[in-house]
Amino acid sequence: AQKVTQAQTEISVVEKEDVTLDCVYETRDTTYYLFWYKQPPSGELVFLIRRNSFDEQNEISGRYSWNFQKSTSSFNFTITASQVVDSAVYFCALRETSGSRLTFGEGTQLTVNP
Amino acid sequence: DAEITQSPRHKITETGRQVTLACHQTWNHNNMFWYRQDLGHGLRLIHYSYGVQDTNKGEVSDGYSVSRSNTEDLPLTLESAASSQTSVYFCASSDGTWSSEQFFGPGTRLTVL
Repeated sequence: AQKVTQAQTEISVVEKEDVTLDCVYETRDTTYYLFWYKQPPSGELVFLIRRNSFDEQNEISGRYSWNFQKSTSSFNFTITASQVVDSAVYFCALRETSGSRLTFGEGTQLTVNP
Repeated sequence: DAEITQSPRHKITETGRQVTLACHQTWNHNNMFWYRQDLGHGLRLIHYSYGVQDTNKGEVSDGYSVSRSNTEDLPLTLESAASSQTSVYFCASSDGTWSSEQFFGPGTRLTVL
């Protein structure tokens, strides 16, 4: 069965620090998709990025970057120069080849203090 | 603009009552999902549907049911509400492509007293 682990339950940083959120997954499939979602204090879930299992290139979008390493089954998320507005719960999720269901990790609560 | 809505946004009910949470999407997506979010558990899948008349159980389906009579709606029914079903419920939808992300509704906070 597939599983996503976000071992960091809570992280607290000071503004402008860099922070990395870890995501480790388990799957028997060779083809799958990985996702990151953000849940700000307002409660909605916001899609951030998807990555398929064939594409191990790192991706950068502004202050956000993602490091996908198939060898270690990890899809880590780094925020550079964090800001107070980055404070949120971040979820990593996995979708296998069969079906469209997502398996979510437990989430990491990130608090960025001024 | 296309969207996905949930109603009510907040609901308080009593143990044993039947409760129905509505989910409506205007994306014309085939796939719809219901999740519950609880502290320490992330989001867990309750039920999902890949099209009209199709419904499937997720990992925490006991005590819940869904029906899909049209593309736009997937109501979630708690047949006899229990205090353990106090949670925040999210509906989501996606198109049929494997790469597509799920779009989430704003959530319904349900309290069972």
